[in-house]
Amino acid sequence: QKEVEQDPGPLSVPEGAIVSLNCTYSNSAFQYFMWYRQYSRKGPELLMYTYSSGNKEDGRFTAQVDKSSKYISLFIRDSQPSDSATYLCAMKRGSTLGRLYFGRGTQLTVWP
Amino acid sequence: GAGVSQSPRYKVAKRGQDVALRCDPISGHVSLFWYQQALGQGPEFLTYFQNEAQLDKSGLPSDRFFAERPEGSVSTLKIQRTQQEDSAVYLCASSDRGLNPSGNTIYFGEGSWLTVV
Repeated sequence: QKEVEQDPGPLSVPEGAIVSLNCTYSNSAFQYFMWYRQYSRKGPELLMYTYSSGNKEDGRFTAQVDKSSKYISLFIRDSQPSDSATYLCAMKRGSTLGRLYFGRGTQLTVWP
Repeated sequence: GAGVSQSPRYKVAKRGQDVALRCDPISGHVSLFWYQQALGQGPEFLTYFQNEAQLDKSGLPSDRFFAERPEGSVSTLKIQRTQQEDSAVYLCASSDRGLNPSGNTIYFGEGSWLTVV
């Protein structure tokens, strides 16, 4: 079993919908949580970064971390066709030298 | 340059060939990472450098994989005697932070796409 689990989808929604993306993890040592967006044939691009439990909002994006349930979420409000991409969750232990542990990614399509 | 630069962008190798993939990190970045991303999967950690020192190579899948960063800037990932299962995107990332860079300071390149036939 991988340390970070993520449903690969695909997920297809109409423009304007609220999108919910999730990951679960098994290692309680994870302290830093990230969401990356990856367009086709491009490298991952950091979207959201949170430390410990709680919510963080940035424009149309909200990241939630529930460490007691080992569950993280990314919500996208008013989704746009330009949001169509693969979304990767990533986590980091406090002690490791920057090594990130990724989920397998969820492929999202927002149709006009 | 403005971002992490990787070359070649695309490489087709015959099984058994050796390949070398190059990464130019963002200027001044002390930390450098290599990740392997198979089709439909998330990136998997391969190795980490702080300047020229390779501090973690626990993710390298076999002794056919070798990485170096001799002058603490450009890095090369070398794969010897390539096999079909080596087909993947090889991502390089860098950070301006030294020990234990936070996740929000790590920047990825666009990757080198390796296909072994």
